[in-house]
Amino acid sequence: QVQLKESGPGLVQPSQTLSLTCTVSGFSLTSYHVHWVRQPPGKGLEWMGVMWSDGDTSYNSALKSRLSISRDTSKSQVFLKMSSLQTEDTATYYCARDNEHTTGIPDYWGQGVMVTVSS
Amino acid sequence: DIQMTQSPASLSASLGETVTIECRASEDIYNGLAWYQQKPGKSPQLLIYNANSLHTGVPSRFSGSGSGTQYSLKINSLQSEDVASYFCQQYYNYPPTFGAGTKLELK
Repeated sequence: QVQLKESGPGLVQPSQTLSLTCTVSGFSLTSYHVHWVRQPPGKGLEWMGVMWSDGDTSYNSALKSRLSISRDTSKSQVFLKMSSLQTEDTATYYCARDNEHTTGIPDYWGQGVMVTVSS
Repeated sequence: DIQMTQSPASLSASLGETVTIECRASEDIYNGLAWYQQKPGKSPQLLIYNANSLHTGVPSRFSGSGSGTQYSLKINSLQSEDVASYFCQQYYNYPPTFGAGTKLELK
């Protein structure tokens, strides 16, 4: 069945770079797009970016200067790197598979990984 | 970016009651709207897409409607397991944007 699982450090120091991995199973990264979405504690959801099935990427313009998404199809993994972290980047980070018929609808989500930015 | 305004921010209802949550887009999104349910400590789960299409496995007491800039999610005969936060999301234009959410509690 379709599964996604995020992994990465729970604590990052301010100004440092966050590196997260999304490991997927049950589908191919060359057939489905994968989104990254984050959620600060007690707040709403923010779309960060997408790894398209063809290997291209798109980013939220508010984060574009700090964000990079890449993948390793042989390992079924999608990576997120975000630089210059600040306390306001404290959030749960999710990866999610895009709907197979209509793009822009994350229909399978990982469990999320909580990242705290603090010294 | 398209702004999504969701109301109310919180809602208290009794078991068996019908509940409606509204979402307004800053421009026409041509039914490119999804609704998600998020239970505490869990990831969002897709309920409805294309404004009114029920995602696989979602109970029929959930329904969506609307057009243009105005959309709504209705929950008929509220169950205890429906206690959650609900988010609308437009995908008509990139970037996808979400409403701020509605927290639904039992009265």
